[in-house]
Amino acid sequence: NAGVTQTPKFRVLKTGQSMTLLCAQDMNHEYMYWYRQDPGMGLRLIHYSVGEGTTAKGEVPDGYNVSRLKKQNFLLGLESAAPSQTSVYFCASSKRDTYNEQFFGPGTRLTVL
Amino acid sequence: AQKITQTQPGMFVQEKEAVTLDCTYDTSDPSYGLFWYKQPSSGEMIFLIYQGSYDQQNATEGRYSLNFQKARKSANLVISASQLGDSAMYFCAMRGYSGAGSYQLTFGKGTKLSVIP
Repeated sequence: NAGVTQTPKFRVLKTGQSMTLLCAQDMNHEYMYWYRQDPGMGLRLIHYSVGEGTTAKGEVPDGYNVSRLKKQNFLLGLESAAPSQTSVYFCASSKRDTYNEQFFGPGTRLTVL
Repeated sequence: AQKITQTQPGMFVQEKEAVTLDCTYDTSDPSYGLFWYKQPSSGEMIFLIYQGSYDQQNATEGRYSLNFQKARKSANLVISASQLGDSAMYFCAMRGYSGAGSYQLTFGKGTKLSVIP
C-alpha cells in the first residue's frame, strides 16, 4: 500500500496563477484533510471532507477550494495564487471513528513569487 | 474552541538521556484525544503515541511515554534514552469533535528537539 500520496512534491507559481494539488489514499479512509504548515505556526487545517461529495471549511479556508469527487482523492485548488500562500501543504486521511489517527502524505512545497 | 500550547520552541538533550516535551491543552469537550507526531528534517509526519481522555493509564510506545495529567490539562511527551535520530520537530495535537459526525486535529506550534552526541 502506498498510503497517502501527494502530487506534485514541489511547485513554483507566479502571483495570480492557478494550480491544483492532488491527494490520493489507498486505505479506504472516509475522512480526508488539507493542512498548511508555515514556520513557527504548526499545521493549520484548510478544508476537510467526511466523505465523497462532502467538504467543509477548516481554520484557514480563504483563497482555497476543494473537491472530493472520489473517495480516494481530495483536490486542493488555488484559483489565484498569492505570496501569502507560500507554504508546505500536507494531506491526511483517517477512518471514520472517534480515534481519528490521521495518516499524512509527504507534503507539497509551494512557492508563490 | 480547542487550543494546544507547546511552550518550548527548542530543546537540547544529551544522547542517552531522557527528555520531556511539554504540551498543555484547552477544551470544553469531555471526550478528546491527544496525539504526538514527529517531523524529521525530511518533512514527513510520523505518528508516535496517543492518549484518550478516558484512558486510565498513561500511554507508552517503546521509548515514548505520555505523562497525562488531566486535571492540569497537560500531555507531556517523555522520550527515554535519546538517540541522534530523535532530532526532529515534535507536534502535540488534540482531536476534538467538529460536528456532523466528524473530528479534527488541532496542532501546537511544535518543539524542535536536538540530540547532542
